[in-house]
Amino acid sequence: DSGVTQTPKHLITATGQRVTLRCSPRSGDLSVYWYQQSLDQGLQFLIQYYNGEERAKGNILERFSAQQFPDLHSELNLSSLELGDSALYFCASSVGPSQNIQYFGAGTRLSVL
Amino acid sequence: QQQVKQSPQSLIVQKGGISIINCAYENTAFDYFPWYQQFPGKGPALLIAIRPDVSEKKEGRFTISFNKSAKQFSLHIMDSQPGDSATYFCAASPNTGNQFYFGTGTSLTVIP
Repeated sequence: DSGVTQTPKHLITATGQRVTLRCSPRSGDLSVYWYQQSLDQGLQFLIQYYNGEERAKGNILERFSAQQFPDLHSELNLSSLELGDSALYFCASSVGPSQNIQYFGAGTRLSVL
Repeated sequence: QQQVKQSPQSLIVQKGGISIINCAYENTAFDYFPWYQQFPGKGPALLIAIRPDVSEKKEGRFTISFNKSAKQFSLHIMDSQPGDSATYFCAASPNTGNQFYFGTGTSLTVIP
């Protein structure tokens, strides 16, 4: 068990809808990362937050947004969902903002029908 | 484009054999290179990592070899076991941040 908790484990929704994925980092970790894992794209970095502030942005679509709350949990919001958004979404956490080991949660499997 | 190229896509090895997975990168700003192991239904878990100031790092049966001039690094799994059957991802992180750029993964199957 990595100590990173992601909910829900599975999510099934329809095109055009909006969903929220939640992540609780390991105790003491200030940084949270979101990754998308799809069959054709592999693991793609989406966004990083450190102590409530956006730290780095990767291949995140404008329809997607994230935030990190004062208690350090993070949420990834996906809106106007398309079939191609179906994927595994992983959250990871690390102690500091850079050059640190990242611990991954078990992921949320999103199916857009 | 894929910042870290990984090969092979899949690998089948006999129990007791050596599994070798290769990765290559172009961005010279990368200076942290972890390998992650992922079992079905689980998130990736850190296996071993290396920084470019050393050419090799060994932890148990797992060894990373790093060639800075060629911008290549590889994972060697000695005495491969059926329990090693998983997907392996190499990754790279720049010195300016901590976002990981992952390879496309190698599905390893170790036959008893």
